Amino acid sequence: DAGVIQSPRHEVTEMGQEVTLRCKPISGHNSLFWYRQTMMRGLELLIYFNNNVPIDDSGMPEDRFSAKMPNASFSTLKIQPSEPRDSAVYFCASSRQGGAFFGQGTRLTVV
Amino acid sequence: AQTVTQSQPEMSVQEAETVTLSCTYDTSESDYYLFWYKQPPSRQMILVIRQEAYKQQNATENRFSVNFQKAAKSFSLKISDSQLGDAAMYFCAYRGDKIIFGKGTRLHILP
Repeated sequence: DAGVIQSPRHEVTEMGQEVTLRCKPISGHNSLFWYRQTMMRGLELLIYFNNNVPIDDSGMPEDRFSAKMPNASFSTLKIQPSEPRDSAVYFCASSRQGGAFFGQGTRLTVV
Repeated sequence: AQTVTQSQPEMSVQEAETVTLSCTYDTSESDYYLFWYKQPPSRQMILVIRQEAYKQQNATENRFSVNFQKAAKSFSLKISDSQLGDAAMYFCAYRGDKIIFGKGTRLHILP
């Protein structure tokens, strides 16, 4: 298996633009997590899905953030409009039970 | 709400020596998992070791072992025969329904 695949690896965008981050989980995994990592706040859980259904989105910082999982093999995290304070590394992770396996992350820079 | 606390922001150990990283957590759940993840400079999140709360026996993976004290809600990681490649950020994580992380401990290996 190729592991969790995230795209793009790096994204630089201007403030106010829409940003879409993509994730392909490991086949057979039924849980998917989106995290944001910054130096100040560490690893924050933004939202997680079980069987494609959003279970807890209490970590989503604002209405500018939204996430979808239309099927078991794909999820997106969208920021609209983006702001400089959204600059961070965004990780997607998937699991069946127990520990989660992480993608390589997307480094987002909003200028 | 569950919390994970890592009280040591940074630690150093001499190559070939043993080091212990501390982690405490808080939860009212009885069934959960605990993990240690390693994040080297490449930023990849690597699952190092896992512990199911119902198991009394401490988990071991080669040079990595844990000391799980359920009543004390303590979950420390011991790295034996430290190697230069062990230098990284180490995160303690808790999984009930969702996975939450501590702030991390940066481990330096001194040659």
